[in-house]
Amino acid sequence: AQSVTQLGSHVSVSEGALVLLRCNYSSSVPPYLFWYVQYPNQGLQLLLKYTSAATLVKGINGFEAEFKKSETSFHLTKPSAHMSDAAEYFCAVIGGGYQKVTFGTGTKLQVIP
Amino acid sequence: NAGVMQNPRHLVRRRGQEARLRCSPMKGHSHVYWYRQLPEEGLKFMVYLQKENIIDESGMPKERFSAEFPKEGPSILRIQQVVRGDSAAYFCASSPRDSDEQYFGPGTRLTVT
Repeated sequence: AQSVTQLGSHVSVSEGALVLLRCNYSSSVPPYLFWYVQYPNQGLQLLLKYTSAATLVKGINGFEAEFKKSETSFHLTKPSAHMSDAAEYFCAVIGGGYQKVTFGTGTKLQVIP
Repeated sequence: NAGVMQNPRHLVRRRGQEARLRCSPMKGHSHVYWYRQLPEEGLKFMVYLQKENIIDESGMPKERFSAEFPKEGPSILRIQQVVRGDSAAYFCASSPRDSDEQYFGPGTRLTVT
């Protein structure tokens, strides 16, 4: 079975500061890992994904994530937060033969001007 | 190139009524997934369908909930005799064959009064 744990349901950063959203995974098979963003009252948009190629994955809107097998982590970072980054972020994992996605509980990012 | 479409976007039902949620996948996508997002929670997988087949319904409540994806037309998630606890956002996602990437619709927000 696969699962992801997101540490911190709410994260606040100042505009221009580093964004770090944490995700740890558990998987009995090599995982595919994803980060999605959800703006209020909207669906989910894929930010980036890891599918066993490069361990550092670059996504949209300046976000990136690094797959660290030794730490079973896939943390999301952005060097400089922008007001438009305020949203909820979900880490997700696929594993085991087909595309059933298991989501974390989400982290709400607040950007303070 | 329209994305995943869901309708209605908002649905209000009284307890005991039926709710029908529709999802039109992206053109060329033959796989559909339904997820439920309860307030302050992440998305939970409900069911995975291909045309005319239910592949995995392990996340569906045993009673009152059903899903279909007919040969023609949208996928339908049907909730009979709704209760207050069914109030949630229901998201549909679609993917093409042999792809790990799911594209999400904007969701249907169901309110049971």
